[in-house]
Amino acid sequence: GQNIDQPTEMTATEGAIVQINCTYQTSGFNGLFWYQQHAGEAPTFLSYNVLDGLEEKGRFSSFLSRSKGYSYLLLKELQMKDSASYLCAVRDEDSSYKLIFGSGTRLLVRP
Amino acid sequence: NAGVMQNPRHLVRRRGQEARLRCSPMKGHSHVYWYRQLPEEGLKFMVYLQKENIIDESGMPKERFSAEFPKEGPSILRIQQVVRGDSAAYFCASSPPRSSGGMRHIQYFGAGTRLSVL
Repeated sequence: GQNIDQPTEMTATEGAIVQINCTYQTSGFNGLFWYQQHAGEAPTFLSYNVLDGLEEKGRFSSFLSRSKGYSYLLLKELQMKDSASYLCAVRDEDSSYKLIFGSGTRLLVRP
Repeated sequence: NAGVMQNPRHLVRRRGQEARLRCSPMKGHSHVYWYRQLPEEGLKFMVYLQKENIIDESGMPKERFSAEFPKEGPSILRIQQVVRGDSAAYFCASSPPRSSGGMRHIQYFGAGTRLSVL
């Protein structure tokens, strides 16, 4: 079956660093995505990993290990506006672009 | 460049009525996806369409649900004879054509339609 696991909630302090983990078991693998979703709003694209390693984009970085079925999203210099849900998603089939999403991690940034 | 536009943002229906949800993809995008999100749950894939074609409907319930993406106009997700269990947020996403290289894999989401069935 298809399974994507993320922690349900995390709390961190403004200015700190937080790492949100995602593990996946899918029938295939054609890329992993991270999205940010504020309550009541559209998910917004953060990162896309298809090869092993770290992709850095400003304060956000995403890491992938295909052999371990594991990814993490690293947020540095946390700001209050980073309080949101972070969604991990995998594209498993080459023939379809559909994404399989985890349940999301709710991040609360405290002052 | 406007993003993915969904309307209405909120829709209230009584049991047995029909719900029609509309989605206009980003300009230049030819692929549309519909996802459903229940409270406290992740987004669940429903259907993937290109213009006038359904590519993957493996996530669509077998009855009452249908989707189309006509040559002209928005994509429509139609739910007939709604039941309380259909209450959810329905998100549409679009992605560029396959000629866009690596960017073609990225899906851009609309703000969703929140359907409430009374």
